[in-house]
Amino acid sequence: DVKVTQSSRYLVKRTGEKVFLECVQDMDHENMFWYRQDPGLGLRLIYFSYDVKMKEKGDIPEGYSVSREKKERFSLILESASTNQTSMYLCASSLYTPRLVRTGELFFGEGSRLTVL
Amino acid sequence: GENVEQHPSTLSVQEGDSAVIKCTYSDSASNYFPWYKQELGKRPQLIIDIRSNVGEKKDQRIAVTLNKTAKHFSLHITETQPEDSAVYFCAPDMRFGAGTRLTVKP
Repeated sequence: DVKVTQSSRYLVKRTGEKVFLECVQDMDHENMFWYRQDPGLGLRLIYFSYDVKMKEKGDIPEGYSVSREKKERFSLILESASTNQTSMYLCASSLYTPRLVRTGELFFGEGSRLTVL
Repeated sequence: GENVEQHPSTLSVQEGDSAVIKCTYSDSASNYFPWYKQELGKRPQLIIDIRSNVGEKKDQRIAVTLNKTAKHFSLHITETQPEDSAVYFCAPDMRFGAGTRLTVKP
């Protein structure tokens, strides 16, 4: 079974703090993703990565950065947290697929609920 | 980026009835069309998917149909059961729709 582990289930931070959300997967997947989930908006893609040290912006990258130093680990960084970043953050991974098929099944972590005061 | 729309946003059916959820997308290059189910307080999980070279796929009570020309695909659930109650998301090529809350009344 694929296991995607997010280090923190619940975090409370203050405006302006730097926040690190960690995600580790144990199935040697090449692709990793960060989404945020808000009621009525579904899951919105923040960043994704197809390989170590590689990253691509998703649809809402503003205010976020990522780091992928090792294949199994993908970190989401909020340089200066703001109240509008209060949300549920979901990490996911998937197997690499051939160029013509851009992605496959996503395996999600349990989520990190971040509250910014 | 990809524009994904899902309809309806909420759906309530009687146990045993069928449910259909439709997803439209804008990127003509999309070639992977999955549906995820998210139960309350849990992570989304894949329930069925289809690739662009196939028009329909069925797995017991669940089916997905794809119309690539019109850029939409649909989830069909037959003989619904209370445990089908959840939020369903389409996610063409890693972009998610806003979700459909399905309630199956016993």
